[in-house]
Amino acid sequence: GAGVSQTPSNKVTEKGKYVELRCDPISGHTALYWYRQSLGQGPEFLIYFQGTGAADDSGLPNDRFFAVRPEGSVSTLKIQRTERGDSAVYLCASSPGLVSDTQYFGPGTRLTVL
Amino acid sequence: SQKIEQNSEALNIQEGKTATLTCNYTNYSPAYLQWYRQDPGRGPVFLLLIRENEKEKRKERLKVTFDTTLKQSLFHITASQPADSATYLCALERGGGADGLTFGKGTHLIIQP
Repeated sequence: GAGVSQTPSNKVTEKGKYVELRCDPISGHTALYWYRQSLGQGPEFLIYFQGTGAADDSGLPNDRFFAVRPEGSVSTLKIQRTERGDSAVYLCASSPGLVSDTQYFGPGTRLTVL
Repeated sequence: SQKIEQNSEALNIQEGKTATLTCNYTNYSPAYLQWYRQDPGRGPVFLLLIRENEKEKRKERLKVTFDTTLKQSLFHITASQPADSATYLCALERGGGADGLTFGKGTHLIIQP
């Protein structure tokens, strides 16, 4: 079966622009996570969805970041007024739903803000 | 705040030897700990999960230990192969009932033929 997919694989944008990053989780997985990974660092938690609702968005750095998962499957991470410091790889992961479940990661979207 | 430390420098191991990677944590009492492998340009791939009441877990050539007194996990790869070269990430539950993981920076392992 298909794993977690993310589009686009690369996104280059200019400072101040709006971007959307998409995640298609594994079918049937109720839990979905977004992480951000900077060069030489481990992934950093951003937000967690259980079904359609954002169960924990405490990792979002500020109100320029927002994520949705309207039908409990595909999720979109939205970044407004992008800044150079937002440049990183944005990773999406899904899991069947239990707290200690294995997380299955997508390949990530590399965002570059010029 | 919670802190996870992994060997920040690359670890060079001769093929066939055992590679041992260390994960130390502070200000934390996780119920479980996970190890992931990450190759360049790819997302992390789950390897092993060990719970606080388990001392050791094995999977093929991999072995993980979890010492909650020392607040340390050791990750071993026996009979290492060049294909094992990658970055290995230690991850703990975020704690306080929160879902999601907190990751260490990872250790870059190089297995030399």
